[in-house]
Amino acid sequence: AQKVTQAQTEISVVEKEDVTLDCVYETRDTTYYLFWYKQPPSGELVFLIRRNSFDEQNEISGRYSWNFQKSTSSFNFTITASQVVDSAVYFCALSELTQGGSEKLVFGKGTKLTVNP
Amino acid sequence: GAVVSQHPSRVICKSGTSVKIECRSLDFQATTMFWYRQFPKQSLMLMATSNEGSKATYEQGVEKDKFLINHASLTLSTLTVTSAHPEDSSFYICSARELHVVKSNQPQHFGDGTRLSIL
Repeated sequence: AQKVTQAQTEISVVEKEDVTLDCVYETRDTTYYLFWYKQPPSGELVFLIRRNSFDEQNEISGRYSWNFQKSTSSFNFTITASQVVDSAVYFCALSELTQGGSEKLVFGKGTKLTVNP
Repeated sequence: GAVVSQHPSRVICKSGTSVKIECRSLDFQATTMFWYRQFPKQSLMLMATSNEGSKATYEQGVEKDKFLINHASLTLSTLTVTSAHPEDSSFYICSARELHVVKSNQPQHFGDGTRLSIL
């Protein structure tokens, strides 16, 4: 079965520091997708990125960057020059095909990031 | 972009009450909707997969008679927590999957969640 591990339960940094959130996954599928979501205190899930298992290129979007390494089954997320507004719980997720053929998400336990001023 | 509306955002009610939560895809069709449950400071756990016009598929350990799911149209799925008790208090989030996923980088769009508190 699919599994997503986010070993860091909580991280606290000072504004402007860089921070990396780790994500390690397990799957037997050859084709899969990996995701990162942000959940601020208000509760809604904010989609950050979706990555296809065949695309190992690193991605950068503003202050966010992702490092996908298939060899180590990791999909780490780095925030550069962190800001207070980055404070949230971040979830890594892995897609899994259901018996009906649709795609369901398996979430890690999340990493709570606190950015202090 | 694709929007999923979940209503109500917060419910507080007495033990024994049945509570209905709606999940609507506002600007796209969704043959499949998912219902997740999140306990405080924990991860999202899939409860069930809801398919339009057919019975929902429940994850192991989820009581189908307790959590009734109806997906009567391509834009609406409902979750009814029957005879709710304090242990059912949780954050419930739905997501909707677009028909044409290939065109979208975001195959599931999440609602804003419903915070259910049973007294």
